[in-house]
Amino acid sequence: GEDVEQSLFLSVREGDSSVINCTYTDSSSTYLYWYKQEPGAGLQLLTYIFSNMDMKQDQRLTVLLNKKDKHLSLRIADTQTGDSAIYFCAEILTNSGGGADGLTFGKGTHLIIQP
Amino acid sequence: DAGVIQSPRHEVTEMGQEVTLRCKPISGHDYLFWYRQTMMRGLELLIYFNNNVPIDDSGMPEDRFSAKMPNASFSTLKIQPSEPRDSAVYFCASKLPQTGAEQYFGPGTRLTVT
Repeated sequence: GEDVEQSLFLSVREGDSSVINCTYTDSSSTYLYWYKQEPGAGLQLLTYIFSNMDMKQDQRLTVLLNKKDKHLSLRIADTQTGDSAIYFCAEILTNSGGGADGLTFGKGTHLIIQP
Repeated sequence: DAGVIQSPRHEVTEMGQEVTLRCKPISGHDYLFWYRQTMMRGLELLIYFNNNVPIDDSGMPEDRFSAKMPNASFSTLKIQPSEPRDSAVYFCASKLPQTGAEQYFGPGTRLTVT
């Protein structure tokens, strides 16, 4: 079955870059996502990447995709205290009927910002 | 738009009681998803609907869990009887029909079963 793996914690200094890594197993995934969850809140989509892309940049966020290794990363430049949250990697889940609508999430990476 | 609305935000109940969680998706979204988040298992997809029809319920843990979507603007997730291990945050999400379209999450219902 599908599985998405992430490190549980990442600690960085304010102003440095944060790199959050993720590995996935479903090679047929067409979309890969990064969601952000702040305390007591739901999930917010940060960015996504199509599987035929290697890189996507959106302001301070850079997503890198290595399809061969099934490795996805999220880089946050100039990390700020407001970036403190849990970051989830997710892939589209292919269901038993062949449809692909639900998401399989990693357990999330807690990003801790040091002053 | 108000976004995905869930109620209640917090629910505390005793083991054996029936619990009903409610969700109102974003208007115009054809897909509705129920997820459960726990420390041990992370975020798990329980069930999802397309045009009010359940498409995949393979994530529903047991027969004690049931979900309905009587119309395009309302869905319920029911647990009967509830058990302490059902304690979790339950999220509802909705999206447009296009493949890969963003799923918009509600704020979640934090369920505690004592």
